[in-house]
Amino acid sequence: GIQVEQSPPDLILQEGANSTLRCNFSDSVNNLQWFHQNPWGQLINLFYIPSGTKQNGRLSATTVATERYSLLYISSSQTTDSGVYFCAVEQRGNTPLVFGKGTRLSVIA
Amino acid sequence: KAGVTQTPRYLIKTRGQQVTLSCSPISGHRSVSWYQQTPGQGLQFLFEYFSETQRNKGNFPGRFSGRQFSNSRSEMNVSTLELGDSALYLCASSLGPSEGYTFGSGTRLTVV
Repeated sequence: GIQVEQSPPDLILQEGANSTLRCNFSDSVNNLQWFHQNPWGQLINLFYIPSGTKQNGRLSATTVATERYSLLYISSSQTTDSGVYFCAVEQRGNTPLVFGKGTRLSVIA
Repeated sequence: KAGVTQTPRYLIKTRGQQVTLSCSPISGHRSVSWYQQTPGQGLQFLFEYFSETQRNKGNFPGRFSGRQFSNSRSEMNVSTLELGDSALYLCASSLGPSEGYTFGSGTRLTVV
């Protein structure tokens, strides 16, 4: 099956710093989503981005489908950005989402 | 609009018991998927239902089962609980293939 690799596995930032999280996948995909898992366990959908670039406030994401990677940018990080960020891909219609192992982000004041 | 609702939020069960978890999808969403999250294995796919039919199944033993009702609400059942079944169980709903998934808050199951 498709492989999803996220890097780095852990990241510690000072409040106000910027960061880039990466997701590599081993095959073509129909769907790619970025999620933030909060301390209570809920997966919050950040972006649905099978290709192209999207922005939402301090967050933006870019997926280069032909090169099989996606990037999540966090600018001016805040302590509330802490948590685990997951990339998940759907290889084609009617197949389940496959998750990477996540990037654990800690933003310190 | 209301999000994906999972009940209960927390559950403690004894080895050998069975448990039923519930998931109500976003109104209009006909696809419901279930995932198990553990520290060691990460997020693993359990099964997906679409219009009351199981469309996909992950690599879990037969003790794990599920169903979907005509109103798209879904339940999953785990029989003969084992300590290793302790996990966060997450449900997601979607309009359909390649439409993006929205997750509920999860049910945290502890087996003692």
